[in-house]
This record gives sequence, structure tokens and C-alpha cells, in this order.
Amino acid sequence: QAVVTQEPSLTVSPGGTVTLTCASSSGPVTSGFYANWFQHKPGQAPRALIYSTSNKHSWTPARFSASLLGGKAALTLSGAQPEDEAEYYCLLYYGGPQVFGGGTKLTVL
Amino acid sequence: QVHLQQWGAGLLKPSETLSVNCAIYGGSFSGYYWSWIRQPPGKGLEWIGEITPGGSTNYNPSLKSRLIISVDTSKTQFSLRLSSVTAADTAVYYCARAWDLWGQGTLVTVSS
Repeated sequence: QAVVTQEPSLTVSPGGTVTLTCASSSGPVTSGFYANWFQHKPGQAPRALIYSTSNKHSWTPARFSASLLGGKAALTLSGAQPEDEAEYYCLLYYGGPQVFGGGTKLTVL
Repeated sequence: QVHLQQWGAGLLKPSETLSVNCAIYGGSFSGYYWSWIRQPPGKGLEWIGEITPGGSTNYNPSLKSRLIISVDTSKTQFSLRLSSVTAADTAVYYCARAWDLWGQGTLVTVSS
């Protein structure tokens, strides 16, 4: 089973910009991995932010965007808010099974 | 308002079978992917498996030999069964309609 790797932790200043990445042990991440991104806060169910690499859900704040970058899936937060402090997970599709990354703990400080 | 409600036994002994159910209220069952995800204490999310709109299943290879995900369309609910549990299966289990609706989570603890 493939391993999906994310930065364990990142810190961003309020109003700042940060990019989280998601890599696959099987090779470059492409659109065929249909990357999803989730935000997860303690005591809550995860919330989907992005589907199919770069598409936002209707509830996704405009400050979040996603793309493919250097063979990885990437989630960019522009204009970080205190409420964006959370764990972020990517999910990649492997032709049937899917695999979550280990998560990135994002601190807004 | 459409929502998912899940339930299941919260405490199991090693070797028992974990069973968690998830019902959809106020919405249709057809045409969606229905998934199970878990989070062990202090760890990240793990994708368990899904049932597709066509009724087929995809499973996490590491759990496949112990796992059954099924759907009862007449009751608009779907279920997770994981056999021969160990302490490593202790986690909060979530059901989801991929990926816009989530259940509230069910903590399952495996302990002798």
C-alpha cells in the first residue's frame, strides 16, 4: 500500500500565506489521484475543503486553493485566520483504495 | 436537513467483531459513495473502505481480510463490520457520504 506524506507541522502568521503538500510513495501525484483535502479540528468530524485536485466545495472559504505542484498535491491558504488552525489531511485515490496522508498540524501564530 | 446518524458498541474485547451502523435522514441513498474512516487516539485519519453507487466495495488492503461494508437500501443505512479486533482497532469511527456529509463519530475501545 502506498504511503502518502505530508509536512508534520507548519506555522503561518495571521494574514500570511502557507502551502501544504501531499506526496505519494508511488510517484508523482497527478490529476488521476483525485486529491481531496480535509480540515480536522479536535472534537469535530473532518470537513472537506477540496475535491478532485483543485475544486472547492460550496462551503470552502475563498482563501483556500489547491493545485498540483512539483509532483505533489498542494493546498494553499492565503490570508490565514485564527480559525484556520487545525490538522489538514490529503486523501489520494489509488484506483480503488484510497490513502490519507499523515496530516499537517497548522498553527496560526 | 440531511444528516448522518451512527451508532455501535463502544467497548469490545479482543477477538470480538466491531459493528457500527450509519443511517441517513432526510436524503437519498442512491448515487453516492458511502465511506468509513477512523482515527486512533493521537493518530491521523485512516481510510477504511467504501461502497460505490453501483453497490461494489473498495477496502483498505490492510483491513480487507477482516472487513465487510454493506448497505441496506430499504433502511437507508450502511454498516461496518470488522472481525477479530485488537487494541490497534481502538479509534473513533466515522461514516461519511463522500465527502459532504459526516456522522458524528463513534468511539470504539478494544480492551480486555
